[in-house]
Amino acid sequence: NAGVTQTPKFRILKIGQSMTLQCTQDMNHNYMYWYRQDPGMGLKLIYYSVGAGITDKGEVPNGYNVSRSTTEDFPLRLELAAPSQTSVYFCASSSGQDWEKLFFGSGTQLSVL
Amino acid sequence: ELKVEQNPLFLSMQEGKNYTIYCNYSTTSDRLYWYRQDPGKSLESLFVLLSNGAVKQEGRLMASLDTKARLSTLHITAAVHDLSATYFCAVERKGTASKLTFGTGTRLQVTL
Repeated sequence: NAGVTQTPKFRILKIGQSMTLQCTQDMNHNYMYWYRQDPGMGLKLIYYSVGAGITDKGEVPNGYNVSRSTTEDFPLRLELAAPSQTSVYFCASSSGQDWEKLFFGSGTQLSVL
Repeated sequence: ELKVEQNPLFLSMQEGKNYTIYCNYSTTSDRLYWYRQDPGKSLESLFVLLSNGAVKQEGRLMASLDTKARLSTLHITAAVHDLSATYFCAVERKGTASKLTFGTGTRLQVTL
């Protein structure tokens, strides 16, 4: 029963480095999301996707890119990492049907130093 | 812009006591969620409230929704230490592809 799987769990980046956070789900969900959670705060939406080939910006998209080539995978790319991107990143998915809750991954803790 | 506010931000309470967490939101919404997060962990879904007057209960937690007042409450009855966690409400507007706007969270600490 994998659900939503995120890798890596922890990562330290230097300023200016790039990396990709991986997210995969095995529930055949159409909707997928990337949120970030800063210390002591709620989650903010970075990007989301309603199906393969379709992505759109959320509340805080600057400094990030996403792609959705398959239903299962929704990677988040950080280009030119900055200290402001130090955060915990959560991937989530949903069927998109009425009354369906979001399923969250376990999170990726990222520090940019 | 949809804004979601929770209060209190931090709550320390003794075991056996009752208390309520409040969640106010600024515009019409269609669904309201309550999540629990333990330190260093992901979010666990507690309740989904779909309509005005909705009330859901699970163990010592009860959530309600008043869409006219744009207010949801999470009531804790006879708190126990295991309920210590951060609780988030999140609001979804219809037709927004299930995008959620989260409150800042209420950190609950239940002391023995």
